[in-house]
Amino acid sequence: EAGVTQFPSHSVIEKGQTVTLRCDPISGHDNLYWYRRVMGKEIKFLLHFVKESKQDESGMPNNRFLAERTGGTYSTLKVQPAELEDSGVYFCASSPLTPTSGGGNEQFFGPGTRLTVL
Amino acid sequence: KQEVTQIPAALSVPEGENLVLNCSFTDSAIYNLQWFRQDPGKGLTSLLLIQSSQREQTSGRLNASLDKSSGRSTLYIAASQPGDSATYLCAVQGWRDDKIIFGKGTRLHILP
Repeated sequence: EAGVTQFPSHSVIEKGQTVTLRCDPISGHDNLYWYRRVMGKEIKFLLHFVKESKQDESGMPNNRFLAERTGGTYSTLKVQPAELEDSGVYFCASSPLTPTSGGGNEQFFGPGTRLTVL
Repeated sequence: KQEVTQIPAALSVPEGENLVLNCSFTDSAIYNLQWFRQDPGKGLTSLLLIQSSQREQTSGRLNASLDKSSGRSTLYIAASQPGDSATYLCAVQGWRDDKIIFGKGTRLHILP
């Protein structure tokens, strides 16, 4: 079974440009989460989708960030316009809607997208 | 507000030694606690997940304990190897929402 995949693995853009990150969750996982780690800080929650609906977007830093999950499958995270402080690693995670036996509601993480804003 | 603290921030030990990484959290109302490993430039690898009702989990040379009442967890690594060098992250998931709260991590360097 394929794990969580993210594209691209690395993106380098200039300040003011737009970047779109994509996450494909594990097939059948209705929960999808975005997290990010900026330099020197811990990984922080950005938002949570249940299917196509935003369940919790309390971690989104500002309105330059837009997350979508049309159709409840893959998700995109757009940063427009990008600023220097947006540089970091953006992780996506997914989990099933109901906990599986023995595993709880474990979230499975993708490899991350490293974003560098120059 | 849940906060996760990891001590030490960095650790260097000679190969073969046993070692303990520490994690503390401020809100004991957790659903589970997870230890991850992150290699430079790579993603997160889940090592061990402990449900709130459990006290410990073991996988190979790794053992993680959980004391929910005191808000502490330890990750014990036996007979350390150079390949264990990585950043180890402690993370908790709360009952009130699904978000995972991470610590800043412990950078571990095993000296050959």
